[in-house]
Amino acid sequence: EVQLVQSGAEVKRPGESLKISCQGSGYNFVTYWIGWVRQMPGKGLEWMGIIYPGDSDTRYNPSFHGQVTISADKSISTSYLQWSSLRASDTAIYYCARPNVQYNWNDGAAFDIWGQGTVLTVSS
Amino acid sequence: QSVLTQPPSASGTPGQRVIISCSGGSSNIGRNYAFWYQQLPGTAPKLLIHRNAQRPSGVPDRFSGSQSGISASLAISGLRSEDEADYYCAAWDDSLSGVIFGGGTKLTVL
Repeated sequence: EVQLVQSGAEVKRPGESLKISCQGSGYNFVTYWIGWVRQMPGKGLEWMGIIYPGDSDTRYNPSFHGQVTISADKSISTSYLQWSSLRASDTAIYYCARPNVQYNWNDGAAFDIWGQGTVLTVSS
Repeated sequence: QSVLTQPPSASGTPGQRVIISCSGGSSNIGRNYAFWYQQLPGTAPKLLIHRNAQRPSGVPDRFSGSQSGISASLAISGLRSEDEADYYCAAWDDSLSGVIFGGGTKLTVL
């Protein structure tokens, strides 16, 4: 079964750092891009960025560039989303998702496999 | 703010046909494929429609998509109570070199 399994819920203080994970299984991890999507409380979906585990080519939504870092460790089929200094406004659910086409990240590629989501709460 | 515009809400009674619209621009739906996702309460989004009108395996044919110009639409026929969910359109945006989502439409089955 193809699946993405994300790390558990987190409660953090403003200013703290964090790295959450997304492990893929049931497919060739290195040949599919892995994207990250934010959903703030009661709000819609926002694409944050995406990485190709095969060579770590990473693309960011300009709205998130510099705010987060996306990485991957292909040896353990895992992608990461990290913050160096959290803010209360980072409180959200974060999903990882895999497009439905190998190799390519472009028009035509839709996210068809989703992780279960990681709930992040940042509060003092 | 979303570049793709959806009505915030829609409703219908069981058995009815409901259409949800998504308006974009020349850099996204006007020249690229549209997608639709369903998000049931408390769950991750699920891909319903890709490449404007293609249904992934397992998605009932009650769900159909279309695209014309800078707009896309999702039609749900034979409405069921389990269709009550949030629906999001999405498309590749050339300006972003990535995907953008609509603000979402909350569908209520009366």
